[in-house]
Amino acid sequence: AQSVTQLDSQVPVFEEAPVELRCNYSSSVSVYLFWYVQYPNQGLQLLLKYLSGSTLVKGINGFEAEFNKSQTSFHLRKPSVHISDTAEYFCAVPPGGTSYGKLTFGQGTILTVHP
Amino acid sequence: DVKVTQSSRYLVKRTGEKVFLECVQDMDHENMFWYRQDPGLGLRLIYFSYDVKMKEKGDIPEGYSVSREKKERFSLILESASTNQTSMYLCASTTRWASPQHFGDGTRLSIL
Repeated sequence: AQSVTQLDSQVPVFEEAPVELRCNYSSSVSVYLFWYVQYPNQGLQLLLKYLSGSTLVKGINGFEAEFNKSQTSFHLRKPSVHISDTAEYFCAVPPGGTSYGKLTFGQGTILTVHP
Repeated sequence: DVKVTQSSRYLVKRTGEKVFLECVQDMDHENMFWYRQDPGLGLRLIYFSYDVKMKEKGDIPEGYSVSREKKERFSLILESASTNQTSMYLCASTTRWASPQHFGDGTRLSIL
């Protein structure tokens, strides 16, 4: 079964600085990858997804992620963060096989943007 | 627009009570999921359903059961609530493999 590892549990950053949230996945076979964001006291919202094609994927709110097959990574980046980007971010992958739409989530990275 | 609605945002119950958490989706999705979210542990799958009356255990099903009598509604049941079930519960739905899941806003459940 495929899995994901988010390498940082917390990332503090100052406003307008760039940020990278790291995600590695376990398999070298074809993968589909997702990044979700969870704002305080809310459910998860899809940020972006990689299904096939271009390895650079653009999402909402100025975020983008790059699929790197050789490094089995799917890191999330934003060139300049805002206070409103403070949230928890989750990387996710289908576990493989007949999964009925299941997703395996990483443990989350809490991004805190300081003024 | 896609909508997943969880019946309560906050819920307080007592130990030993039978607790029902309700989730409704309006997208005609086949697959529905219940997760539990705890700090540092991410989302853990409790149960999922791939059709009406069909269900499968997730990673942490102990102490929970589910019901799906209609396609749009998926209920999570805590048979006898315990304090270690205090958590955030999230419902999600999706149409097929490798499609994004759509989430409700969550129910923060406290068991006293």
